[in-house]
Amino acid sequence: GAGVSQSPRYKVAKRGQDVALRCDPISGHVSLFWYQQALGQGPEFLTYFQNEAQLDKSGLPSDRFFAERPEGSVSTLKIQRTQQEDSAVYLCASSYTGAPNQPQHFGDGTRLSIL
Amino acid sequence: KQEVTQIPAALSVPEGENLVLNCSFTDSAIYNLQWFRQDPGKGLTSLLLIQSSQREQTSGRLNASLDKSSGRSTLYIAASQPGDSATYLCAVSRAYSGAGSYQLTFGKGTKLSVIP
Repeated sequence: GAGVSQSPRYKVAKRGQDVALRCDPISGHVSLFWYQQALGQGPEFLTYFQNEAQLDKSGLPSDRFFAERPEGSVSTLKIQRTQQEDSAVYLCASSYTGAPNQPQHFGDGTRLSIL
Repeated sequence: KQEVTQIPAALSVPEGENLVLNCSFTDSAIYNLQWFRQDPGKGLTSLLLIQSSQREQTSGRLNASLDKSSGRSTLYIAASQPGDSATYLCAVSRAYSGAGSYQLTFGKGTKLSVIP
């Protein structure tokens, strides 16, 4: 596709429910990043994939957060037993190689609200 | 731990004025620095990327400079327009040993309003 696509754009869930957020990166992009952006803050790194391999998950805040990219393209971020503090915008970014000279291209994000 | 600070948090200027946004970072061991624009309810649009070996990058009315040794970057916007109104975010990247992850560390952003 022309850009990074994320779905759904908005998600409302009750505390304790599980949610799944989807990211379609730019076609051919090897690297995929997930970030969490709280209201009024800059995005914070969650996890990184190179193709299907999850090479860095140091930013995941708890074991309730899980991400996968089984075929090296589409990625899903899953949050189990959601808490109110999980409310944020979840941004996905992809880059051609993941090398530092390559810019990261961001999707519009999924706005998650936990009631 | 890398920390990125952006000053001011908000800025309001009349149309046509030139302006400077500031970004500072605590760890000078960076690979690159990027400036992004974020419109309300939208994702981030990359404006300029400066490699650590570079001093500045230019794109149209935008010019970004980097002084890695002092941990500072500035984004200069010439002849501002109402369409420039958005939040501007600065981010630095660094590879962590073994992981190969060039994750970005962001500032909180500067919210710019250009008044017609």
